[in-house]
Amino acid sequence: GAVVSQHPSWVICKSGTSVKIECRSLDFQATTMFWYRQFPKQSLMLMATSNEGSKATYEQGVEKDKFLINHASLTLSTLTVTSAHPEDSSFYICSASPGARGGSYEQYFGPGTRLTVT
Amino acid sequence: SQQGEEDPQALSIQEGENATMNCSYKTSINNLQWYRQNSGRGLVHLILIRSNEREKHSGRLRVTLDTSKKSSSLLITASRAADTASYFCATGRYSSASKIIFGSGTRLSIRP
Repeated sequence: GAVVSQHPSWVICKSGTSVKIECRSLDFQATTMFWYRQFPKQSLMLMATSNEGSKATYEQGVEKDKFLINHASLTLSTLTVTSAHPEDSSFYICSASPGARGGSYEQYFGPGTRLTVT
Repeated sequence: SQQGEEDPQALSIQEGENATMNCSYKTSINNLQWYRQNSGRGLVHLILIRSNEREKHSGRLRVTLDTSKKSSSLLITASRAADTASYFCATGRYSSASKIIFGSGTRLSIRP
C-alpha cells in the first residue's frame, strides 16, 4: 500500500513553454502533498506544501507565480512550471501524506519527474 | 533551506564491511528519518526514529539519535553491492504535521 505515482516520468520542453506534472496517491487519500526539487548530486529541497482544497504554502525563495500548485482532490496534486527556462531543468519529486484523517503523518514519495528545458 | 549536514559526503567501502553515515541538524525535532535514493530514482523510506528514542534497528540497519548533540547516525552492517545509493536524513519538527527537511546526503559506493 501507500503508492504514489508521478506523470510524466520525464519531459523535455522548449524554453518559454509550460509543463504540468501530476502526483497521484493511488491507494490512499492524501490530505497533504509536498513538492521537492533536486539538482544533480544534491539533496531534495522542499518547494511547497499543499493541502487539499487550499492554497499551497511556498518555501522561501520559491516563486509561486512560476511554480503553480493545485491540490484539487485528495488523490491528485499538480505542479505547473510556467515559462520554463533551462535553469528549471531538475528532478521534481512529490510526496503525499494521509495526515490525521488517514492516521499517519508519514510521507510517501513518488518516483520523480525529470524535466529538461532546452 | 536544509536542516542538516551529513558526513561524509561520499563513502566508498568494500562489500561486507560496515558503513556509517552521520547527520547533524540545527533545530529541535520531533523525529528523524533516513531515506535511500538510487541514482535518478525516487526515495525509499528506511527508518524513522522519534526524539524520545535513542536507538532503532531494522534488519541490517541501526540508527542512533542523540538529541543533546543534535546528531544521528545510520549504520549499515555487512554491506552489499545493492546498498550503493545516496542516503539522506530528514528531520520533522512537529508531531502534528509531516513537513520534513532533508540533509545534504551521503553517496555510498560498495566495491565488490
